[in-house]
Amino acid sequence: GESVGLHLPTLSVQEGDNSIINCAYSNSASDYFIWYKQESGKGPQFIIDIRSNMDKRQGQRVTVLLNKTVKHLSLQIAATQPGDSAVYFCAVSGDSWGKLQFGAGTQVVVTP
Amino acid sequence: DAGVTQSPTHLIKTRGQQVTLRCSPKSGHDTVSWYQQALGQGPQFIFQYYEEEERQRGNFPDRFSGHQFPNYSSELNVNALLLGDSALYLCASSLRAGRTEAFFGQGTRLTVV
Repeated sequence: GESVGLHLPTLSVQEGDNSIINCAYSNSASDYFIWYKQESGKGPQFIIDIRSNMDKRQGQRVTVLLNKTVKHLSLQIAATQPGDSAVYFCAVSGDSWGKLQFGAGTQVVVTP
Repeated sequence: DAGVTQSPTHLIKTRGQQVTLRCSPKSGHDTVSWYQQALGQGPQFIFQYYEEEERQRGNFPDRFSGHQFPNYSSELNVNALLLGDSALYLCASSLRAGRTEAFFGQGTRLTVV
């Protein structure tokens, strides 16, 4: 079955630095990938997505990289701000209905 | 434009009781999925509804059931509650036709005592 994992449970980053969060997946049939941000007491908030026909996609201060060869994706946050402190999840889908398989999450802590 | 709304936000139930959680999808969305998120973990897929039918189901017992109404809103029912059912229950809506991104509600925090 599908498994989705994150490489680090906690990432501590200084304000203004860049953050990189990694995620590995196991199902080669996965074709849709999403990064979510979840703040305490709230539901996951969509950040950025990427489909398997791309290897890079950029948003506002965020970039997602997809390496299908090694089944790995990453989220890069530029100039990390205190408001970026949250748990970040990667989610993977490989079926036509869009069922999402989530990783365990990475807690990002931004220090001044 | 309202996003995904869930009710109630919190509730406490006793073991063995039954609970119903409600979800209204984002305007224009026709597909609703439910997820269970235990403390410190990622969301786990329960099931998905489209055109008032359950289309996919995760690894959850039959105690978990659902329904989708003609207006696309949805309910999650859990019977014979166990302590282990305590979790944040999340509803996500999406547009089936385009397989677009799923938007989540704020969740319902269920505590079973």
